[in-house]
Amino acid sequence: ETGVTQTPRHLVMGMTNKKSLKCEQHLGHNAMYWYKQSAKKPLELMFVYSLEERVENNSVPSRFSPECPNSSHLFLHLHTLQPEDSALYLCASSQGRGTASGNTIYFGEGSWLTVV
Amino acid sequence: LAKTTQPISMDSYEGQEVNITCSHNNIATNDYITWYQQFPSQGPRFIIQGYKTKVTNEVASLFIPADRKSSTLSLPRVSLSDTAVYYCLVGPEVNRDDKIIFGKGTRLHILP
Repeated sequence: ETGVTQTPRHLVMGMTNKKSLKCEQHLGHNAMYWYKQSAKKPLELMFVYSLEERVENNSVPSRFSPECPNSSHLFLHLHTLQPEDSALYLCASSQGRGTASGNTIYFGEGSWLTVV
Repeated sequence: LAKTTQPISMDSYEGQEVNITCSHNNIATNDYITWYQQFPSQGPRFIIQGYKTKVTNEVASLFIPADRKSSTLSLPRVSLSDTAVYYCLVGPEVNRDDKIIFGKGTRLHILP
């Protein structure tokens, strides 16, 4: 238990569906992240939120839409995805941004997404 | 963010000490070195962090030479459950722009 909870753990959706991934952190952190991990590939940073404001969007296609209503919750809205979007989507949080002393990043267990 | 270079994969046997070295030649004065562990189908987990010399916790030790251009993660007496991908991250202080980018990591395979 890392203090970061993701739901659902598994999701299968068609290319015309609209679904959402949810993340909740119970650590009182100020920054939250979405990462994507495809099979045998490095983690790819998708979005960064700091104090509920989006500060980074690593050129992610618009079919992925993040939402951060408060510092504890983060959503990833999905629509008209492609089969190549099938991957493990990981949510994470940290006290601040950066890799400085004490700023550990905590990951959730991930949501496995399959697009058919 | 300083670029890091790690071996792609390593094999070792149960009970051995495993050392994984990470090169970060352009590390900046304010950069810290952090290592994460990722098991299959799970998110990465923090292992250890250091700035210089040696840091030890209940899981691992981190050795950093005086020039800080490399670091070595040392796992004592590994077991099968230590099979995972290990990531080395180098980055600046929390108040500066930082994306916390993970590289390819080192895939460690422990054999019986």
